[in-house]
Amino acid sequence: AQSVTQLGSHVSVSEGALVLLRCNYSSSVPPYLFWYVQYPNQGLQLLLKYTSAATLVKGINGFEAEFKKSETSFHLTKPSAHMSDAAEYFCAVSESGGSYIPTFGRGTSLIVHP
Amino acid sequence: DARVTQTPRHKVTEMGQEVTMRCQPILGHNTVFWYRQTMMQGLELLAYFRNRAPLDDSGMPKDRFSAEMPDATLATLKIQPSEPRDSAVYFCASAANGGYNEQFFGPGTRLTVL
Repeated sequence: AQSVTQLGSHVSVSEGALVLLRCNYSSSVPPYLFWYVQYPNQGLQLLLKYTSAATLVKGINGFEAEFKKSETSFHLTKPSAHMSDAAEYFCAVSESGGSYIPTFGRGTSLIVHP
Repeated sequence: DARVTQTPRHKVTEMGQEVTMRCQPILGHNTVFWYRQTMMQGLELLAYFRNRAPLDDSGMPKDRFSAEMPDATLATLKIQPSEPRDSAVYFCASAANGGYNEQFFGPGTRLTVL
């Protein structure tokens, strides 16, 4: 069975500071991993995804995530936060070879201070 | 610009009334998901269709909820009778060929049951 844990329901950073949003997963088979972003009053949209190619995945808006099998982690980072990055971020896992039904984490709200 | 559309965007109703939410997936996508989002529970998967066939609706309260895909361009989620605890934002998402691909989310239907 697959599961996702996002550490920290809220993360607060200053504009220009490093953004680090944590995601740990559990999967019995090689996973597909995703990060989605949700802006207020909108649906989720894909930031990036890992599908067993390069372990460092680059996404939109300057975000990237690194797949670390030994740590079962897929943390999301951005070198310099912008005010426009303030949103809810969701990590999701889908198991390859299975039903592919994705499991989402509880989400992390990113707050960016001027 | 292909996108998932949902109607209505907002719905206020009284307890006991029937509610029907509609979703038009992106043309060519054969996988459709229904989610419910609340502050308390986060994002919950209610139902999952592939090629119009329901593959998983274990997250859906069977006694009052039903989901169907009358054709490839329309998915519906019905609640009858509605209850205050059904108040939430309901999202539809579509994907090409399963849950390991990017899901494209609609803007959601915000349901308030009084």
